[in-house]
Amino acid sequence: KQEVTQIPAALSVPEGENLVLNCSFTDSAIYNLQWFRQDPGKGLTSLLLIQSSQREQTSGRLNASLDKSSGRSTLYIAASQPGDSATYLCAVEDGSNYQLIWGAGTKLIIKP
Amino acid sequence: ETGVTQSPTHLIKTRGQQVTLRCSSQSGHNTVSWYQQALGQGPQFIFQYYREEENGRGNFPPRFSGLQFPNYSSELNVNALELDDSALYLCASSFAPGQGADTQYFGPGTRLTVL
Repeated sequence: KQEVTQIPAALSVPEGENLVLNCSFTDSAIYNLQWFRQDPGKGLTSLLLIQSSQREQTSGRLNASLDKSSGRSTLYIAASQPGDSATYLCAVEDGSNYQLIWGAGTKLIIKP
Repeated sequence: ETGVTQSPTHLIKTRGQQVTLRCSSQSGHNTVSWYQQALGQGPQFIFQYYREEENGRGNFPPRFSGLQFPNYSSELNVNALELDDSALYLCASSFAPGQGADTQYFGPGTRLTVL
């Protein structure tokens, strides 16, 4: 059974710092991995999608990497801003039944 | 804004009651998925509908049921509510079935509290 874990559960850093969020999964047979952002009252926003054959994806200040063999992904946020404060979730699409399996998220606070 | 709306925003029910949650997908999206997110947890997949047919189901009992309509709206119905059903319910729409091959667009969610 696929399990997704995110560490740390919460993170608070000063504005301007670069930071890394971690996601690990137990079964490497995934179709893809996605990183989402969740803001209270605004639902989930897809940030980056990495197909299983890819190693990384970039969008602006965000860079996500994927190492299927070790069951790990990282989300790198450069030059953090207070507007980056949110909960970040990763989800893997199970390669056998196409279900999204989610981590519990990392709550990020960027202090001005 | 994703163009996906949900109603109501908040809802309070008592144990044993029935509830209907509604979702309006982006125009042209044939697929809608429903998720349950308990406080402090990631979303759990309930089921998906593609062109008005159920296209996959997670580990939820039959008292969770759904409908999808031709006008890109859909419903999640929960019968015999239990305290553990208290959660944020999210719907997400996309062009294609499956869940990750195509970007899903999420609504803001309905917060259900069961007393």
